[in-house]
Amino acid sequence: EVQLVESGGGLVQPGGSLRLSCAASGFTVSSNYMSWVRQAPGKGLEWVSVIYSGGSTYYADSVKGRFTISRDNSKNTLYLQMNSLRAEDTAVYYCARVIAPSGFDYWGQGTLVTVSS
Amino acid sequence: QSALTQPASVSGSPGQSITISCTGTSSDVGGYNYVSWYQQHPGKAPKLMIYEVSNRPSGVSNRFSGSKSGNTASLTISGLQAEDEADYYCSSYTSSSTWVFGGGTKLTVL
Repeated sequence: EVQLVESGGGLVQPGGSLRLSCAASGFTVSSNYMSWVRQAPGKGLEWVSVIYSGGSTYYADSVKGRFTISRDNSKNTLYLQMNSLRAEDTAVYYCARVIAPSGFDYWGQGTLVTVSS
Repeated sequence: QSALTQPASVSGSPGQSITISCTGTSSDVGGYNYVSWYQQHPGKAPKLMIYEVSNRPSGVSNRFSGSKSGNTASLTISGLQAEDEADYYCSSYTSSSTWVFGGGTKLTVL
């Protein structure tokens, strides 16, 4: 059974950093495209980043230069390193497997990141 | 990376059909057959309902169908049921090797 479990969310001050993790089971992270998608409170979905099976990475303009997506093949885990956090980064962050490139077929339960002083 | 355009809300009575539109540009919806649709109930993660414009994942009811014409994709739900009440989002792959979502549509079953 495919399962994605995010962790690492919490309260952080503006300008701070946080690393999110997404532990996968039932499939191999490194053989798939994997993405992060976020949802601000009461708002819609926003695509954040993707890592291809070959290792290429892409980012939304809103996070480019501040966020880094990566994976640990030995742990079958996806990460999102978030630096220089802003209030507008406050959201539930979901990791998702990509049916490349047509959509996101499995999603985690999400982890809440709150950026506030 | 502008969001795709969806109506904020649609409604229908049980048994009726509704259609939700999703308008983009030739750099996303119009340029690729990589449009997908998601259903999200309050407090839950999104669920894939349609991928590659019109394909249904295993387990998704055939009451859900998708189509595309030019820069606009559509999701149709036939035989509306109470459990269909949710938020619906479209998404498309883009020419920048990124993805973009629509703003979301709240479906109310009257």
